[in-house]
Amino acid sequence: GDSVTQMEGPVTLSEEAFLTINCTYTATGYPSLFWYVQYPGEGLQLLLKATKADDKGSNKGFEATYRKETTSFHLEKGSVQVSDSAVYFCALSAWGAQKLVFGQGTRLTINP
Amino acid sequence: DTEVTQTPKHLVMGMTNKKSLKCEQHMGHRAMYWYKQKAKKPPELMFVYSYEKLSINESVPSRFSPECPNSSLLNLHLHALQPEDSALYLCASSQRLAEYNEQFFGPGTRLTVL
Repeated sequence: GDSVTQMEGPVTLSEEAFLTINCTYTATGYPSLFWYVQYPGEGLQLLLKATKADDKGSNKGFEATYRKETTSFHLEKGSVQVSDSAVYFCALSAWGAQKLVFGQGTRLTINP
Repeated sequence: DTEVTQTPKHLVMGMTNKKSLKCEQHMGHRAMYWYKQKAKKPPELMFVYSYEKLSINESVPSRFSPECPNSSLLNLHLHALQPEDSALYLCASSQRLAEYNEQFFGPGTRLTVL
């Protein structure tokens, strides 16, 4: 079945550090890929998405590129801020499916 | 209006109570979802409605009863819950049921069952 694997957290970085959160997937066909962020005590917010191979999603300084050859959708940010502290979920929606498949989530803490 | 709203924000109920969670969106979306999220876990899909009809029930116990009265509203009726049902309940919506349509999530209802 379809699945998403994220790097295990928690991840702790200093402010202005470079961030990478790895995400790989297994799916039939050509899924759409998403990154969601959940701040403490809140629901999930869509951070970025990509719907076909080689698409790059970007938002708020975060980027991720849909790599079909490596079945990956790694999240990157060049300089993190304390306000980026949250849980990040990678997710896919497979072709013809009616639901999102989530990774386990990666908790990110940024220290000043 | 790009918001999904949920009420109440917090709910405490006994195992014999009947209560309802409400969700509303005014984005013209025709697919709506209920998720359950336990601490430090990803959301788990419970129900999906498409054009006000139940499309997916992920084998959820009958003590959870969804209802979609119109295209903007989604309810989750709760009865005879167990303490292990305590969780954050998230509502989401998307334009339609299609793999490229992102889902917009509400802030959730934090449910505690005593």
